[in-house]
Amino acid sequence: RKEVEQDPGPFNVPEGATVAFNCTYSNSASQSFFWYRQDCRKEPKLLMSVYSSGNEDGRFTAQLNRASQYISLLIRDSKLSDSATYLCVVNALIGGGFKTIFGAGTRLFVKA
Amino acid sequence: GAGVSQSPSNKVTEKGKDVELRCDPISGHTALYWYRQSLGQGLEFLIYFQGNSAPDKSGLPSDRFSAERTGGSVSTLTIQRTQQEDSAVYLCASSIRLAGTYNEQFFGPGTRLTVL
Repeated sequence: RKEVEQDPGPFNVPEGATVAFNCTYSNSASQSFFWYRQDCRKEPKLLMSVYSSGNEDGRFTAQLNRASQYISLLIRDSKLSDSATYLCVVNALIGGGFKTIFGAGTRLFVKA
Repeated sequence: GAGVSQSPSNKVTEKGKDVELRCDPISGHTALYWYRQSLGQGLEFLIYFQGNSAPDKSGLPSDRFSAERTGGSVSTLTIQRTQQEDSAVYLCASSIRLAGTYNEQFFGPGTRLTVL
């Protein structure tokens, strides 16, 4: 089982749609959680951190369920510019040190 | 302000040659990471430097790979006797805080390595 698993997609949605991405992680000692966004042939950039209480930034809402070891990202009112790959990222305590583990990403295509 | 920079942006080499990839992190960032990303794949962790501590080399795929970070700043990733399967984009990132905290990693644009 992969340490961080995501549905690879692609998700093809029309503009204005609401889309949800899920991510599961296997290491219960994981400490911090993030969603990064990666545009085609570009480097990843932080979209938002994910806190236990859940957090929202404009059209984006992130949720964390530690009991189920599950993270989600909800995008409301999708824009064409939201088309990208969304990477679930976990910092986990492994072998006495923290490691940053990236999921393989979920591709999103928003169409007019 | 200046972000993470990497050089070269593209490198084409012949199988068996050695290559050096350079990363200049954001000034003041204590943590530096190297990843590689093959076409259409996720990021694969390679190595992590944290301040003056010994680096975490657990992600290096073979002893042909090595990295150093001089003076707590610039880092060089060296691949000896390159193989075709080493072809990938090599990404460097830095963060102001250490892994395990809510540390945003800032990525450089990457070096695209092609081994012929």
